[in-house]
Amino acid sequence: EAGVVQSPRYKIIEKKQPVAFWCNPISGHNTLYWYLQNLGQGPELLIRYENEEAVDDSQLPKDRFSAERLKGVDSTLKIQPAELGDSAVYLCASSTHSGGTYEQYFGPGTRLTVT
Amino acid sequence: AQSVTQLGSHVSVSEGALVLLRCNYSSSVPPYLFWYVQYPNQGLQLLLKYTSAATLVKGINGFEAEFKKSETSFHLTKPSAHMSDAAEYFCAVTGGAGGTSYGKLTFGQGTILTVHP
Repeated sequence: EAGVVQSPRYKIIEKKQPVAFWCNPISGHNTLYWYLQNLGQGPELLIRYENEEAVDDSQLPKDRFSAERLKGVDSTLKIQPAELGDSAVYLCASSTHSGGTYEQYFGPGTRLTVT
Repeated sequence: AQSVTQLGSHVSVSEGALVLLRCNYSSSVPPYLFWYVQYPNQGLQLLLKYTSAATLVKGINGFEAEFKKSETSFHLTKPSAHMSDAAEYFCAVTGGAGGTSYGKLTFGQGTILTVHP
């Protein structure tokens, strides 16, 4: 079974430029998460989708960040415009609640550097 | 709100020694608890999970953790460290008191494990 796929793995952009990250979850996983991981810290949830619906986006900075999950499968996270402080790793994860285990499976992440 | 505290941002052990990574959570209702491992430039991999069944949970790579409600702890152990165990380890919690959704994971700050030959 393929794991969570993310692209690109690395991205370097100048501040004020836009950037987008893509995530393909594990087949059959209806829940998709985007996390932000700053250096030396644990991941922090940005947004959670149940199928196409964003059910928790309270931590998403909506002035510059946006996300979508069309058709309830792939998802895209966008930043426009990027700021220096956005340099971090952006992790995507997916899960299925069947069996009630709630464990999340993570992709390799996209490391963003804003210069 | 849920919170997780990992005591010790860095732990160093010799190869073959006991590994003990500490995790305490804040909740009056037992939540679900997880330990994840992260190798450099990789995503997080699930080591083990506690979901209100057996309090002693065995995971991959010889790791295990014990849920202790009275101490609100979920410490991770491994009897004998191997060089390949060097990585960063994260404790995470979901569910529990306060109506926290079982879909939201709250992570600790992480503990970097170094294994010396």
